[in-house]
Amino acid sequence: KNQVEQSPQSLIILEGKNCTLQCNYTVSPFSNLRWYKQDTGRGPVSLTIMTFSENTKSNGRYTATLDADTKQSSLHITASQLSDSASYICVVSDRGSTLGRLYFGRGTQLTVWP
Amino acid sequence: EADIYQTPRYLVIGTGKKITLECSQTMGHDKMYWYQQDPGMELHLIHYSYGVNSTEKGDLSSESTVSRIRTEHFPLTLESARPSHTSQYLCASRKSLAGGRDTQYFGPGTRLTVL
Repeated sequence: KNQVEQSPQSLIILEGKNCTLQCNYTVSPFSNLRWYKQDTGRGPVSLTIMTFSENTKSNGRYTATLDADTKQSSLHITASQLSDSASYICVVSDRGSTLGRLYFGRGTQLTVWP
Repeated sequence: EADIYQTPRYLVIGTGKKITLECSQTMGHDKMYWYQQDPGMELHLIHYSYGVNSTEKGDLSSESTVSRIRTEHFPLTLESARPSHTSQYLCASRKSLAGGRDTQYFGPGTRLTVL
């Protein structure tokens, strides 16, 4: 069964600190992996997208890594800001169907305290 | 910034009422989706469409129905709302890009509460 597991479920850090969120998946055949940021009561917004051949992708203070062999990804946030408080969702797409089906993790709820 | 819109953003309604959640996108995307998301849980696909006059049910069984008469419009309807329908509903559209880089854009969501 294709699954996406994220850890930790929730995380509290102080403003200015770094943190790393984890995503493990079993989706096969793999097409791409994306990290989304979802503010409370809003729709998810894409942060990064990585295909099989990419192992790192940065977007400002966000850096995502992908190890397609171990089926693991991480999202590293540098110098956290209060506005980083949100749910971070790992989404994996397969290439086994026309739909290019998406598998969603439950997200990591990040809270940044001043 | 994605041009995908949902209305209403919040809706509180009584049991048995018929409701329609609106979703529109101005990006010309063929593929559109409806997801249901409970607090702290993952998104579940309830409907999708590949284009005009194409609609399919997703993984999560839903009593809602959808229509796709125009490319930019993908409304979701509940004929008789029940408390079990209380949830957040997210609309999304998708543009296919070469190299597996297609990106799905989400609307802001509709928070539905059925009393």
